Amino acid sequence: KQEVTQIPAALSVPEGENLVLNCSFTDSAIYNLQWFRQDPGKGLTSLLLIQSSQREQTSGRLNASLDKSSGRSTLYIAASQPGDSATYLCAVRRVNNFNKFYFGSGTKLNVKP
Amino acid sequence: EAGVTQFPSHSVIEKGQTVTLRCDPISGHDNLYWYRRVMGKEIKFLLHFVKESKQDESGMPNNRFLAERTGGTYSTLKVQPAELEDSGVYFCASRRDGSGEQFFGPGTRLTVL
Repeated sequence: KQEVTQIPAALSVPEGENLVLNCSFTDSAIYNLQWFRQDPGKGLTSLLLIQSSQREQTSGRLNASLDKSSGRSTLYIAASQPGDSATYLCAVRRVNNFNKFYFGSGTKLNVKP
Repeated sequence: EAGVTQFPSHSVIEKGQTVTLRCDPISGHDNLYWYRRVMGKEIKFLLHFVKESKQDESGMPNNRFLAERTGGTYSTLKVQPAELEDSGVYFCASRRDGSGEQFFGPGTRLTVL
């Protein structure tokens, strides 16, 4: 069974800070790992997708790393802005069924101006 | 290209009533998924359609839930009769064959009173 945990559940930082969100998963036989952003009342926006053979992906101020053997991923946000305030979700798909996402419960980020 | 759309955005019903949620996937996406997030929990997979066929319905909670995708285009998820614990946000996602990425809709917030 695949379980995904995200720490912390909530985070409040002043604007400009660099921050790290953590995700861990119990079964290392993953197909890929994806970080999403969810704004209130909106759907899920894909931020970064890391294939199981990759170690990291970068997009602008975002960098996601993957350590499959230890079952961990981190999402690094540089120079945070108030517009980054949202819930960040980590999700994995397993090798034997890449159609099904297993989600963490999310980290709610608040960046204060 | 239009994204995944869901209707309604919010539904409030009383316990025992019936509700039908609709999802329109991105045009040309044969794969369609339903997920839901109940209060305080993580987003969980419900089922997966390939065109009009149910490929995996292992996440459907019980027989009060019925999903259909007649004609392989839009899908409906009916809850009958609704119970209090069915309250949550129901997400739909779609994926084009040959691509690994699922695109999510904005969700339908269901409140059962």
